[in-house]
Amino acid sequence: NAGVTQTPKFRILKIGQSMTLQCTQDMNHNYMYWYRQDPGMGLKLIYYSVGAGITDKGEVPNGYNVSRSTTEDFPLRLELAAPSQTSVYFCASSPVPPDFGSGTRLTVV
Amino acid sequence: GQSLEQPSEVTAVEGAIVQINCTYQTSGFYGLSWYQQHDGGAPTFLSYNALDGLEETGRFSSFLSRSDSYGYLLLQELQMKDSASYFCAVRDEGQNFVFGPGTRLSVLP
Repeated sequence: NAGVTQTPKFRILKIGQSMTLQCTQDMNHNYMYWYRQDPGMGLKLIYYSVGAGITDKGEVPNGYNVSRSTTEDFPLRLELAAPSQTSVYFCASSPVPPDFGSGTRLTVV
Repeated sequence: GQSLEQPSEVTAVEGAIVQINCTYQTSGFYGLSWYQQHDGGAPTFLSYNALDGLEETGRFSSFLSRSDSYGYLLLQELQMKDSASYFCAVRDEGQNFVFGPGTRLSVLP
């Protein structure tokens, strides 16, 4: 099993650009999560999903969108990138407790 | 609201024992998890307590008291490689995993 796979690992965006962070898991987990982590801080939940077709907002959803068309995939969409979205983004899946992907380091300039 | 509290920093010497505390206040409680994160890396799972008491995994142990909304991670025989940030996380009634702010452990020679 590859576990939780995130792509890309690094990305630089200009203000106002859009992008999709990809997340795939091969463990047939129902629960999937997107977190962001700012330097020196904890992880904040952006969105989560309890199964295909079901998504819900976490603590910091503004500026992001998600979809869950399959059990395996849970992409995170940034529509109009802003400097405040510069962060490291982690995708995770579970049953309890979550397994994390390696992260995507995003810089918005 | 949801909140978890941890000390921001802890320092200890090689071979010593250190305890990292976590208190939580969440809507519903379905278990306390601990994660380790090295600089630049992803969080990796250490332990999980769903019931009161002590769980031991090698040099690491974790304790939970649900009546006190309190838990701790105990690290024994500290090694330099244990220098990292440690996060507690609570699974709440919304199936979210809410993370604490993290404790940075520095192990000195």
